[in-house]
Amino acid sequence: KAGVTQTPRYLIKTRGQQVTLSCSPISGHRSVSWYQQTPGQGLQFLFEYFSETQRNKGNFPGRFSGRQFSNSRSEMNVSTLELGDSALYLCASRASTNEKLFFGSGTQLSVL
Amino acid sequence: AQKVTQAQTEISVVEKEDVTLDCVYETRDTTYYLFWYKQPPSGELVFLIRRNSFDEQNEISGRYSWNFQKSTSSFNFTITASQVVDSAVYFCALSEPNYGGATNKLIFGTGTLLAVQP
Repeated sequence: KAGVTQTPRYLIKTRGQQVTLSCSPISGHRSVSWYQQTPGQGLQFLFEYFSETQRNKGNFPGRFSGRQFSNSRSEMNVSTLELGDSALYLCASRASTNEKLFFGSGTQLSVL
Repeated sequence: AQKVTQAQTEISVVEKEDVTLDCVYETRDTTYYLFWYKQPPSGELVFLIRRNSFDEQNEISGRYSWNFQKSTSSFNFTITASQVVDSAVYFCALSEPNYGGATNKLIFGTGTLLAVQP
């Protein structure tokens, strides 16, 4: 069974641009969440989606948005990139509420 | 407010030594979940254990063991006879229940970098 797949693995953007990151959960998993990891702030929760509905949202500005499709695949978008958005963005999925979270290897975003 | 503290930033041991990673948490809820994850250089977070607040039994899984003490709000992780492959960053995390079970919103500690020298 394939794990959580995130694309692209690495991304370089410049300030002011926007970016879209993609996450394919494990087959059969309907719940997807996103995390940002930086050296300064550590791992921080961004959003959680279940069956195309956002169920929970972290404390991030409106420039960060996400969505989930009917096949459970998810995307997150960051508009008007800032230098501080440089981070490893991790996606996680699970089958149902009481199951453990499986994480992908992340997308390393560098904003220049 | 919820908070997870991992006071040990880095630990270096020699192979075959035992090592304990500390985790202290804060929460006002009576029902919550605690986790440990491992992050090797590849970046992927690997699940190690989940414990709910009503289950204070210690757990052993091979060379890994966990000591959960609600009285001191601690959930410590011990690796027995460490190996080079155990080298990674280890994260402790906390979540509160939502929709009847564990939510995906985890509050992570800052992590402990474990370096096991051959």
